Amino acid sequence: QKEVEQNSGPLSVPEGAIASLNCTYSDRGSQSFFWYRQYSGKSPELIMSIYSNGDKEDGRFTAQLNKASQYVSLLIRDSQPSDSATYLCAVIGYNQGGKLIFGQGTELSVKP
Amino acid sequence: DTAVSQTPKYLVTQMGNDKSIKCEQNLGHDTMYWYKQDSKKFLKIMFSYNNKELIINETVPNRFSPKSPDKAHLNLHINSLELGDSAVYFCASSQDRQNTQYFGPGTRLTVL
Repeated sequence: QKEVEQNSGPLSVPEGAIASLNCTYSDRGSQSFFWYRQYSGKSPELIMSIYSNGDKEDGRFTAQLNKASQYVSLLIRDSQPSDSATYLCAVIGYNQGGKLIFGQGTELSVKP
Repeated sequence: DTAVSQTPKYLVTQMGNDKSIKCEQNLGHDTMYWYKQDSKKFLKIMFSYNNKELIINETVPNRFSPKSPDKAHLNLHINSLELGDSAVYFCASSQDRQNTQYFGPGTRLTVL
């Protein structure tokens, strides 16, 4: 079982739709959860961080965390073509010294 | 002002050579990291330093040696380069081991 698993995609949504990205993780003691966006040829940039169960909203982005189900998701409302990128889910496990474990990424394509 | 910077941006070299990549952060962070992103875009941690002390050393060939002269710098030296070392190497930093990691622009290493 992979430590952090994402739907590999690609995920294609029309402009203005909601994009839903999902991630599961295996370390039940994980405490810190992140979504990064990576454009082709660029470095990962932070979209959202979430540390406790529930929803966290920032503009068009909402991160959802369910520790009991070991599940974290990212919703992008009113998707724009500029949102087309690879989205990386990342988790810091319990007592892992800050080791950020990434999923394989989900490629999102927003069609005009 | 660039928060996390890396040099060089591109590195093309022959098998068997030795090369170094430099990383500097001006965020005042205590922890710095090296990640490798392979051709399948999977991002994996290699090393982490906290206040100049090595705290994460993943299963990486000992041809790779990190060095942290001070909190703001973390360099990566690679001996006897092999074809399989071709990848993008990212430096990152964070305030502490549980907080958001900020990535540098990456160094694309090509070994011929």
